[in-house]
Amino acid sequence: NAGVTQTPKFQVLKTGQSMTLQCAQDMNHNSMYWYRQDPGMGLRLIYYSASEGTTDKGEVPNGYNVSRLNKREFSLRLESAAPSQTSVYFCASRRTASTDTQYFGPGTRLTVL
Amino acid sequence: AQKITQTQPGMFVQEKEAVTLDCTYDTSDQSYGLFWYKQPSSGEMIFLIYQGSYDEQNATEGRYSLNFQKARKSANLVISASQLGDSAMYFCAMGQSGGSYIPTFGRGTSLIVHP
Repeated sequence: NAGVTQTPKFQVLKTGQSMTLQCAQDMNHNSMYWYRQDPGMGLRLIYYSASEGTTDKGEVPNGYNVSRLNKREFSLRLESAAPSQTSVYFCASRRTASTDTQYFGPGTRLTVL
Repeated sequence: AQKITQTQPGMFVQEKEAVTLDCTYDTSDQSYGLFWYKQPSSGEMIFLIYQGSYDEQNATEGRYSLNFQKARKSANLVISASQLGDSAMYFCAMGQSGGSYIPTFGRGTSLIVHP
């Protein structure tokens, strides 16, 4: 049981380059989330998908797009990377009951030069 | 809007002692859940404990307990008998029950356990 997987683990981009962060879960969870974590800021929600076929903006969506490809997969795309997007990105998934915790992937460390 | 406040950027505790990490929250929802996560230096987020707003008893999970004071809107994490492996960042989070669950995280508390 792999849980939540993310690829890649590390990435270095130049300003203006694009890339897609991949996330997949094998727990049959309905909801999936993308966060960024910056020093001293905790986790900030970028986008989430409450169920297959729906996506919504979180607290910091500018510069990002998402795709809920199917129930398992939720990708995050940076169309034109900026140094301000240097961060650690976490994907998470959750069932739907109010008592359910989120399960997190291992994170992607992204540096934009 | 929901808000989580963790006022202790850093905490130190002696091995085998107990430590309390503070968390206060603000919400207009009546039904919500409170969560604590641990993030060791390796970076993964580990779920520790959950407390529902209607739970009458404080949640406990092994050495972790949650001191839930609803009227004061606080949900402090208590770690008993601290171990060196407890050194990590700790995050408090909350989400409303039902509907779209949009969680809010605090900025975290760094805990260092001294031998």
